[in-house]
Amino acid sequence: QVQLVESGGGVVQPGGSLRLSCAASGFTFSSYGMHWVRQAPGKGLEWVAFIRYDGSNKYYADSVKGRFTISRDNSKNTLYLQMNSLRAEDTAVYYCAKDARAVAGMNTFDIWGQGTMVTVSS
Amino acid sequence: AIWMTQSPSLLSASTGDRVTISCRMSQGISSYLAWYQQKPGKAPELLIYAASTLQSGVPSRFSGSGSGTDFTLTISCLQSEDFATYYCQQYYSFPPTFGQGTKVEIK
Repeated sequence: QVQLVESGGGVVQPGGSLRLSCAASGFTFSSYGMHWVRQAPGKGLEWVAFIRYDGSNKYYADSVKGRFTISRDNSKNTLYLQMNSLRAEDTAVYYCAKDARAVAGMNTFDIWGQGTMVTVSS
Repeated sequence: AIWMTQSPSLLSASTGDRVTISCRMSQGISSYLAWYQQKPGKAPELLIYAASTLQSGVPSRFSGSGSGTDFTLTISCLQSEDFATYYCQQYYSFPPTFGQGTKVEIK
C-alpha cells in the first residue's frame, strides 16, 4: 500500500525552527520527485517546495525561499523539510506529496500524506 | 507565476444534479491542468490530470475538459460522497499553482 506519513509538526515561536519528516512506503521512493504543499487554516492549497528523485535539484516558493530547505534520504525512504525563521504566516497543515510521474516528474501530486500541523505563535 | 480563477467559490446542489466548476488561467497552459477533491480534515486526492484524464480509481461521473486558458470539471450525477471542496492546479510552469477552491455543499 502506497503511503506517506508526516511527522514533526507542533507549536513554535516566531523566529524558531522546526523539521518535518515524511516517511514513504509502498513505492520506489528513489524514483520519484517529492513535494511539500501547505494549507493555512480555512484557506486553499499552496505549493512550498520540490526535490528531484535523486536530490539533484530543489525548488521553492518565493514565500519560503532562503528560510526552508527540502532534502531527502533515499536509503531511509524519507523526505524532510527544515523550516527556519518561522513566521505567523507559515502556520498551516503541511502535506508531503508524491509526484505523479517517475524520474522526469510532472508536478502533479497523486499520493498525499495525512498532513502535520505547524503553528507559529508566541 | 500563473494564476487561476475558479468559479463559483460556493456551489449549492442536490444529490443527482449535474454540476460544473470552471477554472480560468492567466495565460495559456495547453492541457497541463489537474483537479483535486478535498474533504474536511483530509488530504486532497487527485481526480484528473492532463485536463481530461481520469486518475485510476476515480468514478466515471467525474470528467474534465478544456485547453489553453479555460477548463471545466463536471460531475454528471452528484453523489453524497462528492460534497467536498475542489481545486484546479496548473503544472505548465513553475511554481505549480492552485485555484482558490470551489466548495460543493448540500442544497
